[in-house]
Amino acid sequence: DAGVTQSPTHLIKTRGQQVTLRCSPISGHKSVSWYQQVLGQGPQFIFQYYEKEERGRGNFPDRFSARQFPNYSSELNVNALLLGDSALYLCASSSHTENTEAFFGQGTRLTVV
Amino acid sequence: RKEVEQDPGPFNVPEGATVAFNCTYSNSASQSFFWYRQDCRKEPKLLMSVYSSGNEDGRFTAQLNRASQYISLLIRDSKLSDSATYLCVVKSYNQGGKLIFGQGTELSVKP
Repeated sequence: DAGVTQSPTHLIKTRGQQVTLRCSPISGHKSVSWYQQVLGQGPQFIFQYYEKEERGRGNFPDRFSARQFPNYSSELNVNALLLGDSALYLCASSSHTENTEAFFGQGTRLTVV
Repeated sequence: RKEVEQDPGPFNVPEGATVAFNCTYSNSASQSFFWYRQDCRKEPKLLMSVYSSGNEDGRFTAQLNRASQYISLLIRDSKLSDSATYLCVVKSYNQGGKLIFGQGTELSVKP
C-alpha cells in the first residue's frame, strides 16, 4: 500500500509568488493535517481537515489556506510568499482526527528566494 | 513559553551508551503523548507512544509523569543507527487532535 504522498518534493519560488502543495493520504484515511517545519525547529501545525471540513487551524496568517477534496486528498496554498516561508511542509494522514496514529509524507521542501 | 519544551542538544555519545531525553509540556489538558524520530531531511516517524504506566520497546523506554507534566525517553545500548532527532509530541483533543511538537533533540552516536 502506498503511504502518504506529497508533491512536489522540492520547489523554488520568488518572493511574492503563490504556491500550491499537494498531498494524497493513505487509502482509507479521512483526516489530513499540514505542518510547517523550519530548520532547527519541530513541525508547527497549520491546518487539519476531516471529511472535507476544516477541523483546526494553527497560528498562521491568512496567506495560508487549504482544502480537502472528495477523494480526501488535500492542497495547501500559500500566497504572497515571504522569505520566512522557506521550510519543509509536511502532510500527515490518519483514519480519524483523534486517538489514531498520524503518518507523515516525505514533505515538500520550499525555498523562497 | 513553548507548549512543549526539549533540550535541543546535540547529544554526542559513544556506541553502547545510555542516553536520556526529557520533555515538559504546559497544557494540562494534553491527553496523548509520543516520541517521534526524524532522520536528516526526512519526515518524522512514530517511535513510540507514551503511557502513564511507562512502556518499553526493546532498548527504548518511555515514561510519563502527568503531575509534573514531564515525558522522558531512555535509549540503552545506543547504536550508530540511533543517530537522529527525537521529537517529543503531545496531542490535546480539545484542540482538534493536532500534534504539538517540541523542537527536537539531536542525538549523534559515535563509534
